[in-house]
Amino acid sequence: KQEVTQIPAALSVPEGENLVLNCSFTDSAIYNLQWFRQDPGKGLTSLLLIQSSQREQTSGRLNASLDKSSGRSTLYIAASQPGDSATYLCALGGSNYKLTFGKGTLLTVNP
Amino acid sequence: DGGITQSPKYLFRKEGQNVTLSCEQNLNHDAMYWYRQDPGQGLRLIYYSQIVNDFQKGDIAEGYSVSREKKESFPLTVTSAQKNPTAFYLCASSVDINLSGNTIYFGEGSWLTVV
Repeated sequence: KQEVTQIPAALSVPEGENLVLNCSFTDSAIYNLQWFRQDPGKGLTSLLLIQSSQREQTSGRLNASLDKSSGRSTLYIAASQPGDSATYLCALGGSNYKLTFGKGTLLTVNP
Repeated sequence: DGGITQSPKYLFRKEGQNVTLSCEQNLNHDAMYWYRQDPGQGLRLIYYSQIVNDFQKGDIAEGYSVSREKKESFPLTVTSAQKNPTAFYLCASSVDINLSGNTIYFGEGSWLTVV
């Protein structure tokens, strides 16, 4: 059974800092890995999707990496802004319909 | 605008009542999903539907029921058999069931509280 762990559970940083969020998983037989953003009381927005054959994906200030052999993914946020404050969740795609989610990292960027 | 609409945003249920959460999408997606999120927890899959008139149980289907009579609509009924229904419910859709190549889109969620 796939287990997904996100560390840290919460992170508070000053504006402008570069930061890394971590996601680890136990089963490397995955189709893809996705990073989502969730604002309080809202739905999820997909940020980046990395296929199992890829090593990383970039979108603007966001960069996500995937290392299947070590069961790890990182989400790098450059030059953080207060608007980046949200919960970030990673999800592993292990079959056609199945996504296994981590519990998320609550990020607070202080002005 | 294209997207997924969930209603109501907030719903209160009395003990022994069935309640239905609405989910409508205008993205022309074949696949739809219902997830449950508890505070500080990841999402858990309740039901999913690959196509109209088809749906399958997810990991925590007990106490829930769904229907898929129209492509755009995938309502979730929380029955009285669900003993701990207080949670945040999220509806989602994708072009098809093959999430290995497709992005999944989420609605804004519905809060259900038992009173």
